[in-house]
Amino acid sequence: DAGVTQSPTHLIKTRGQQVTLRCSPKSGHDTVSWYQQALGQGPQFIFQYYEEEERQRGNFPDRFSGHQFPNYSSELNVNALLLGDSALYLCASSQLAVRRELFFGEGSRLTVL
Amino acid sequence: DQQVKQNSPSLSVQEGRISILNCDYTNSMFDYFLWYKKYPAEGPTFLISISSIKDKNEDGRFTVFLNKSAKHLSLHIVPSQPGDSAVYFCAALLTSGTYKYIFGTGTRLKVLA
Repeated sequence: DAGVTQSPTHLIKTRGQQVTLRCSPKSGHDTVSWYQQALGQGPQFIFQYYEEEERQRGNFPDRFSGHQFPNYSSELNVNALLLGDSALYLCASSQLAVRRELFFGEGSRLTVL
Repeated sequence: DQQVKQNSPSLSVQEGRISILNCDYTNSMFDYFLWYKKYPAEGPTFLISISSIKDKNEDGRFTVFLNKSAKHLSLHIVPSQPGDSAVYFCAALLTSGTYKYIFGTGTRLKVLA
């Protein structure tokens, strides 16, 4: 049973560029959430997708956008990258109707130069 | 405004002894709490959870205690093992309306052999 998979694992971008991160949820999970974890901090909630719609959103600017596909996989897009966007981006999946625990992927480490 | 706080950034414990990790929260509406463990270069993994209607939940060497009046929860690991060395995050959840997880900043546990 494959867990949550994310790609790419590492990437380097320059300021002003755009990035797309991808996530496949754990089998049987229908909800995907994205988190940003800066160095020395806990994961910060970006947004959550369920039934291909953004259901909840944290305090992140509109430069952060996402999408969920019919197979429940998801993308996180960040436009006009800033140095402060450098972080570990974590995808988490869950089946909220059944269990409340989040299952995380290994993350995508984004470095903005 | 940090709604979930882990005031100890690090903790060192001798192998075989008890590890106690603490977490405080400010929002009395949180009704579900979770602990996650994170190794370097891996995503957080779910450890144990507790509903606000309980004050204790036990799973093997791990026990979580919840004190609602003090808005405080703690994770006890007995006996501690070197493999427990990791960063531990507590998270709080509002299950009505929003399913937004709020994470603490983490406590780095080091179990000394």
